[in-house]
Amino acid sequence: QSALTQPRSVSGSPGQSVTISCAGTSSDVGRYDYVSWYQHHPDRAPKLIIRDVDKRPSGVPDRFSASKSGNTASLTISGLQAGDEADYFCYSYAGNYIYVFGTGTKVTVL
Amino acid sequence: QVQLVESGGGVVQPGRSLRLSCAASGFTFIDYAIHWVRQPPGKGLEWVALTSFDGGNHYFADSVKGRFTLSRDNSKNTVFLQMNSLRPEDSGLYFCAKPQHPRYSSTWYMVGVDIWGPGTMVTVSS
Repeated sequence: QSALTQPRSVSGSPGQSVTISCAGTSSDVGRYDYVSWYQHHPDRAPKLIIRDVDKRPSGVPDRFSASKSGNTASLTISGLQAGDEADYFCYSYAGNYIYVFGTGTKVTVL
Repeated sequence: QVQLVESGGGVVQPGRSLRLSCAASGFTFIDYAIHWVRQPPGKGLEWVALTSFDGGNHYFADSVKGRFTLSRDNSKNTVFLQMNSLRPEDSGLYFCAKPQHPRYSSTWYMVGVDIWGPGTMVTVSS
């Protein structure tokens, strides 16, 4: 099972919006609505920011939004803040107890 | 506070073994499966293994099948990942993580995880 494809890096100025794509296949992202997104700061445990394609867990700011179209999921961070600078990666179930993660995207706040 | 803490990582020669532990607290441990996920240096995340809530069912990525085994001690809220015949490509930061849904949910094995540990580093090198 191949990893989901994400851009290696995206960047934006404070206050701007950035969007991260997560390209999968009809066997994972396209088939299941179990796409999650995680924020990972170095030396910290990854943090769940989106579950079930577009749902924010309690405590996650509404600046984080997500969607899915076909085999590609997307995460948008609006009103970019310095604290948003981190690695972001997606996840999808791929059937038969197979789980795939994205290649990871480094978000840089300029 | 819901928490997972990994331990047992270190430097080991190729072909040798290592056992990682994942200690849980703050939730009803027996209600949840536990995943292991790793991140090789400079690379993305790779799912490694999953143990069911009772340890009765285990699932592994093809890359570790036959070399890694899982066990859990629900009396001690701990999951163990036994890694044998280690290879340099097994190097990385190993995380344990808890699924979003408990065993009572029909989707417990499909949903992503919500709580991760900070990870423990494994380096396989001669």
